[in-house]
Amino acid sequence: AQKITQTQPGMFVQEKEAVTLDCTYDTSDQSYGLFWYKQPSSGEMIFLIYQGSYDEQNATEGRYSLNFQKARKSANLVISASQLGDSAMYFCAMRELYNFNKFYFGSGTKLNVKP
Amino acid sequence: DVKVTQSSRYLVKRTGEKVFLECVQDMDHENMFWYRQDPGLGLRLIYFSYDVKMKEKGDIPEGYSVSREKKERFSLILESASTNQTSMYLCASGPTGPKETQYFGPGTRLLVL
Repeated sequence: AQKITQTQPGMFVQEKEAVTLDCTYDTSDQSYGLFWYKQPSSGEMIFLIYQGSYDEQNATEGRYSLNFQKARKSANLVISASQLGDSAMYFCAMRELYNFNKFYFGSGTKLNVKP
Repeated sequence: DVKVTQSSRYLVKRTGEKVFLECVQDMDHENMFWYRQDPGLGLRLIYFSYDVKMKEKGDIPEGYSVSREKKERFSLILESASTNQTSMYLCASGPTGPKETQYFGPGTRLLVL
């Protein structure tokens, strides 16, 4: 079974609007971490935001926030006030406590921000 | 700033050649990783290393080997390159701990003809 599922291969959003990128995960561990990365066309993966499974508050980092719904096993990334520079691939990843050297990555979502 | 560098951004090799991809990190991280990225498949782990001379297989180790003789350097070796190894290769490093992110290099786009 897929550990991380990103069901949106590609998305468009108008500049200055908010956009939600979906991520669901599968684990039987109680303790795990969820990560989002951005990959511009240059290729380098950039860490955006982290959410721990025991964190009570949704994580936020500037214009990025994570809509964490533990019971539904979803960890959606919300980008507010989209900018042209947000156009990139976005990957959701998970790390489990007892196997924490291994990251599981989703297949990614290509976001295009339209002017 | 954490810096992870990879020896080449682009590489073109012929089938059967031995290929070395080098990765260096400057943050004294214990763990280093090699991933392969293909469209629609996300990142797949080839090998990782949690200490000097220590390595573990990831999900797709076949056709690859690795070497970690020094803490800062992790090499990926394609013993006999094949066309199905044409891909983007990403190196990453990171400290130990479930909350710790990985830090990625810029990637190497390898084309095997």
